[in-house]
Amino acid sequence: DAGVIQSPRHEVTEMGQEVTLRCKPISGHDYLFWYRQTMMRGLELLIYFNNNVPIDDSGMPEDRFSAKMPNASFSTLKIQPSEPRDSAVYFCASKLAGGNSPLHFGNGTRLTVT
Amino acid sequence: SQKIEQNSEALNIQEGKTATLTCNYTNYSPAYLQWYRQDPGRGPVFLLLIRENEKEKRKERLKVTFDTTLKQSLFHITASQPADSATYLCALSNQAGTALIFGKGTTLSVSS
Repeated sequence: DAGVIQSPRHEVTEMGQEVTLRCKPISGHDYLFWYRQTMMRGLELLIYFNNNVPIDDSGMPEDRFSAKMPNASFSTLKIQPSEPRDSAVYFCASKLAGGNSPLHFGNGTRLTVT
Repeated sequence: SQKIEQNSEALNIQEGKTATLTCNYTNYSPAYLQWYRQDPGRGPVFLLLIRENEKEKRKERLKVTFDTTLKQSLFHITASQPADSATYLCALSNQAGTALIFGKGTTLSVSS
């Protein structure tokens, strides 16, 4: 099993540009999560999906952020337009159903917006 | 609002000693408490999970305690090794394991 795969690993873009982050969850997992990590705020949950359906997007900072999961093996997080304060490491994670099933994280995308 | 605090940002200990990390929380009644390890440039990796009705869980050199009255978890690494150096995150979740919130982590450094 390759684990959760995220791309790109690093993204540098200019303010105002559109950014798309990609995630391939572990096959067979029921849930997919998008987190953002900064030194100041730690790991923050942005949105999560259950069986490809968005369940809770209350953590999405503002309308500039959107996430989709068109099928069980692919999800995207899009920021349009990007701003310097969006600079962070974005993690995707997946899990099986059940409260005692842990999260499996990808290695993240480090986003820098200049 | 829900809040998780890990006792310190950094902990330095000598090889062979026991490392003890603390996680306190408020305004939450979690069903599960989890501990993760994060190495630089990598995503968090799951270590241990303990249920609200469990007091203690062990796995090899790791031990986790959970006191729902004190709203506190202690994470112990016995016979610590330099390879244990990493950031350790505690996380709380609901019954479904979906509303998972994380502490900011404690960075452990084990010197030889």
